[in-house]
Order: sequence, then structure tokens, then C-alpha cells
Amino acid sequence: DGGITQSPKYLFRKEGQNVTLSCEQNLNHDAMYWYRQDPGQGLRLIYYSQIVNDFQKGDIAEGYSVSREKKESFPLTVTSAQKNPTAFYLCASSGTAASHEQYFGPGTRLTVT
Amino acid sequence: GQSLEQPSEVTAVEGAIVQINCTYQTSGFYGLSWYQQHDGGAPTFLSYNALDGLEETGRFSSFLSRSDSYGYLLLQELQMKDSASYFCAALYNFNKFYFGSGTKLNVKP
Repeated sequence: DGGITQSPKYLFRKEGQNVTLSCEQNLNHDAMYWYRQDPGQGLRLIYYSQIVNDFQKGDIAEGYSVSREKKESFPLTVTSAQKNPTAFYLCASSGTAASHEQYFGPGTRLTVT
Repeated sequence: GQSLEQPSEVTAVEGAIVQINCTYQTSGFYGLSWYQQHDGGAPTFLSYNALDGLEETGRFSSFLSRSDSYGYLLLQELQMKDSASYFCAALYNFNKFYFGSGTKLNVKP
């Protein structure tokens, strides 16, 4: 089945540790995105990539890093520099950056204590 | 970033019709999407409007007025399973979506 997978679903880390969230898609989509969602809030864009080996910062990129070495994969690293990393992280993809429909993965809930 | 305004919560009864409004900033705007998200789940795409007017997809319809910088999602024949959060998302500069804070819809028997 085509879709987007994120792993793990729940992740717990100690403060000061870097952590990498996985996102894989087999939809052959060019564009991929990372969003952060806090309770009762909308989605805020962290990073996006329109094509392999290229990515741009979203509105809240500080404390995060990404790579796009393969079309299918867009991992997100939450670094120790991120002041408030506990959140629900959603990965999405679309055919192109201008496509109006984004397909979302199931999300990773990160808790940092 | 761009900001979108939508009501935080709406309550309606089964079988009723409900309208969820969304206003957006016009600079760089290309189109408006709507997503549904159940608690703990991933958003799923409902509709997209690039031109003025009404788009109908089954019980759900979406409307856009570019001159008023306004759109809405219309849900008809409400069912209990429609209880969820609904987000409007505006496409800007042909490459980036900004999401509203979401409207929590409570459907009561």
C-alpha cells in the first residue's frame, strides 16, 4: 500500500539529547514537509523539501535539522538547542510543492523530560 | 508567517448543517484547503478551492471568496463520526501551506 510511515509513534528522551524522527514515503512524491502540532493548536511548518538534496526552513526551524538524501526519506533531528521539544510531529508529502493535497503520516509524539 | 482565523469550537446536533469559517491574508495567496483531524490522528484532506465558488464533495462542501479573503467548510447531515478538528490551510507563493489553529466540532445526539 502507498503511504507515509513515521516511526516510532511515541518517543521519550531526556533533556539535552538529540533525537531523530523517521519519515518515509512510497508515493513517489517530490515534496516533503515536517510540521509541529501543540495541544489545541494548528500545524506549524518546521522544514520542507521540494526536491532531493534541497530543503528550506519553515517558520520554526530553530533547534531542528533535516536531510533529504533520498526521495523517499526526510528525517528530522530535534537537537538539544530546541527549547521546548515536547510536541506531536507530523510528516507530510505532496506530488509537488504546489500540489494542493498533502498526505500525512500517523505522527510521532515526542516527550522530553 | 501568514495567519488564518477560524473559530475555536462549534457544537451542533446530528443531522444538522454546520459552517466553519476561515479568513486569510491575501498577499501571495493561491488557494485554500480543508483538513479533518480526529483526536490523536493525522490530518486528512477534504477539499481545495483555488477559484471563487462552491465545491461539493458528498456531505461536505467548501466555498471561497477571494475578494473577501474568506472561505468556509459546510458539513451537512452531521453524523457523530464528524466530531473532529477541522483546519483551513492556505497555499502561499505556490510552495507553502499555512494552517489555521483548527475548529473543534462537537456533534451531539
